[in-house]
Amino acid sequence: EIVLTQSPGTLSLSPGERATLSCRASQSVSSSYLAWYQQKPGQAPRLLIYGASSRATGIPDRFSGSGSGTDFTLTISRLEPEDFAVYYCQQYGSSPRITFGQGTRLEIK
Amino acid sequence: QVQLQESGPGLVKPSQTLSLTCTVSGGSISSGDYYWSWIRQPPGKGLEWIGYIYYSGSTYYNPSLKSRVTISVDTSKNQFSLKLSSVTAADTAVYYCARERYSRFDPWGQGTLVTVSS
Repeated sequence: EIVLTQSPGTLSLSPGERATLSCRASQSVSSSYLAWYQQKPGQAPRLLIYGASSRATGIPDRFSGSGSGTDFTLTISRLEPEDFAVYYCQQYGSSPRITFGQGTRLEIK
Repeated sequence: QVQLQESGPGLVKPSQTLSLTCTVSGGSISSGDYYWSWIRQPPGKGLEWIGYIYYSGSTYYNPSLKSRVTISVDTSKNQFSLKLSSVTAADTAVYYCARERYSRFDPWGQGTLVTVSS
């Protein structure tokens, strides 16, 4: 089973700052199969990034993804008030076919 | 624009079977381009993928739940369904349905909270 470990657990930043979120896999993950989601309280997750670095439809360009192998990063270049939420990475591959990281909470400092 | 909507009982007794349905609108579940998934999230916790189904009926389940899960599809109603048997309090969660293609989930339903309690 591929385990995804996200860090930090909580990130406290101010609007306008840059956020860097990490997702580390216990085994190599194909870049094609690494996605990031944003979840706000009481809402379903929303797809942000797929294929490690491609933005989903309608996602602002302040969101970017990078990485390969076992280390992946979600970067928010300049935080807007609406960006404070929980972020999850997700991989598709070996059994169980799909797993999620435990999430990073991005909170206002 | 495809939309998904979960429906079903919000309260299930321990040892009984949880049953939920996801209705797809704005697109055909039979298009063949997608898999249709169930994902759950216990209160205050992370996401767990339960399994998915193709319009033809082929399924793939999370091995941790496989012995208790059945996912089925009704193409005539543009719906797919989840059954989870022998539930316990640990199965209390918000249950989401979602469309999956090329390893990513988009869109998701709004989710429905199912509480397991006597």
